[in-house]
Amino acid sequence: EAQVTQNPRYLITVTGKKLTVTCSQNMNHEYMSWYRQDPGLGLRQIYYSMNVEVTDKGDVPEGYKVSRKEKRNFPLILESPSPNQTSLYFCASSLEASYNSPLHFGNGTRLTVT
Amino acid sequence: SQKIEQNSEALNIQEGKTATLTCNYTNYSPAYLQWYRQDPGRGPVFLLLIRENEKEKRKERLKVTFDTTLKQSLFHITASQPADSATYLCALDEFSGGYNKLIFGAGTRLAVHP
Repeated sequence: EAQVTQNPRYLITVTGKKLTVTCSQNMNHEYMSWYRQDPGLGLRQIYYSMNVEVTDKGDVPEGYKVSRKEKRNFPLILESPSPNQTSLYFCASSLEASYNSPLHFGNGTRLTVT
Repeated sequence: SQKIEQNSEALNIQEGKTATLTCNYTNYSPAYLQWYRQDPGRGPVFLLLIRENEKEKRKERLKVTFDTTLKQSLFHITASQPADSATYLCALDEFSGGYNKLIFGAGTRLAVHP
């Protein structure tokens, strides 16, 4: 089944403890992206990747890192999480980085930083 | 930068009626506009894409219109069913960082009552 898989689904951590949220897609998509979703603010892009080894900042990149060593994987790294990073995170992929290429989303990771 | 406005209040309708959701944008007309459905605790799922030179697009009980003069897209669900209850997100392209990326509205929640 074609899908984007994120892990974990739920994560509770403490301030400053490094964490990684994994994302993997099995559709051979070129483009991958991370979003966070907060009430009333909609989906905001954190980082995106046009292809392997090509990543760039989105609208809210502060406090996050990503890597794209393989086409299928795009992990999101929080080196020193803070409470303002408590949010619902989505990984998404599309065939290409084009506005006519629909995004496929994972089922989300709900992160709580205390 | 582009801003998207979707009604933050939930839309409540009776089963069998037509639901109409609105998406307004503020700046230049995008080349493409997309609609997604999001269920609680799940990632958004792509529904329809409409191009700027298309006035209307249909898919089964769904219809999307795109009025570049009004800077507005309308999303209709005819013969609505309780299973249509979800949050519907509007997304459009914005040229930024050398490529066109999707930006999302905060979504409108639809509740269809039996």
